[in-house]
Parts: sequence; C-alpha cells; structure tokens
Amino acid sequence: EIVMTQSPATLSVSPGERATLSCRASQSVSSNLAWYQQKPGQAPRLLIYGASTRATGIPARFSGSGSGTEFTLTISSLQSEDFAVYYCQQYNNWPPALTFGGGTKVEIK
Amino acid sequence: QLQLQESGPGLVKPSETLSLTCTVSGGSISSSSYYWGWIRQPPGKGLEWIGSIYYSGSTYYNPSLKSRVTISVDTSKNQFSLKLSSVTAADTAVYYCARHGPDPNNKVDYWGQGTLVTVSS
Repeated sequence: EIVMTQSPATLSVSPGERATLSCRASQSVSSNLAWYQQKPGQAPRLLIYGASTRATGIPARFSGSGSGTEFTLTISSLQSEDFAVYYCQQYNNWPPALTFGGGTKVEIK
Repeated sequence: QLQLQESGPGLVKPSETLSLTCTVSGGSISSSSYYWGWIRQPPGKGLEWIGSIYYSGSTYYNPSLKSRVTISVDTSKNQFSLKLSSVTAADTAVYYCARHGPDPNNKVDYWGQGTLVTVSS
C-alpha cells in the first residue's frame, strides 16, 4: 500500500505571498500524482494532474512539480479564494488503488 | 457539462446496509473509458477512496472495505450505486460519487456535491 504524507498540516500565509505545499509518497509513484483544492462544504476540485499539468480553468498561479516520491504544489501569490484545504492523490498503482494524502490547510496569517 | 448527483438515505442504523445512487447527466456512463467511483470523507477528516466501477462493469475496491462494499452500474438509467454493509459509526461521512480516468491519468475530474450519511440508532 502506498502511503501519501502531506506537510505541513497547516500553513499560515498572508495574501499575496507564496505558499509551498509538500506531498511525499512511501514509494515511487512516477508522475502519477494529482492535487485538489477543497473549500468548506464543497467537493474537492482538481487543480493539477500528472504532477505538473494544470486542469482546465485553473489559474497559472497554481503550479506542481516533482516526481518519484517528492512533490510540491506552489501557489505563487495567494488570493483570498485560495484559502482552503489541499490534497494530493496518487494513481500510480491503479488499478486497484487510489490514495489520498491527509491534506494541508492553507489559512490566512 | 457532466454532472453527478448522489441520492439515498441520510441516516442508517448500525449493522444495516448503506445504499447510495449516483445519477450522471450531461454524458453517458458507458460511452468512454472512464471509471465511476465513490469517495468518502468523515467529518473534519480527509478523503478515502471506497471503490470504482469501469464502464465495462469491472469493479475495484479499497482492500480495507472490500468485504463490505458492492458497486454496480445501471447503464439504462445512467446511474451507478454503492452498497456498504454492516455499517458502524465509523462509516459516518460525506459520500461523494466521482469520475476518474482515463488511463493512465486517473485523476478525479468530476465530483458530485456529496451527501452526508450518519450511522446512528
């Protein structure tokens, strides 16, 4: 079973600043990694797949990088609507499993 | 625009079976190489994949839930369903239906709005 670990659990950032979120896999997942944003009371929204490809309609301030076991989601200049919880998800060993990380909450500093 | 909508009871008694249905609109559930799955989120916690069904009917389940889960599809109604047996309070969660794929990029690109299911007597 591949375990996905996200850090930090909470990130306090001021609007306009850069946010850097980390996701680590317990074994290599190649570039088979996605990132999601979830706001309170809403379903998650796909941001990034293939570790670095932005999904349709996602602003350029969101970028993903990494491969193997270490991945990063960067939000270059935080906007008010970006304060949310972010999850990574691996799909390298699909089938039969999809695995999510525990999430990072980005809060206003 | 593809839309998914969960439906089913919001309250289930312990030891009973949780049953949910996802209705897909704006596209055919059987027309392309996508998987249709269920993902849950306990209150205040993270996301857990429950299982998925391929448009061809093949099923895939989370090993930790496999003994209690059945996912099926009704292509005539453009729906797929989840049954989770012998539920306990630990199964209380928001349940999302979702689409992922196509291979090899199994990202989840469409989600339902989610439905809260509470397990309580």
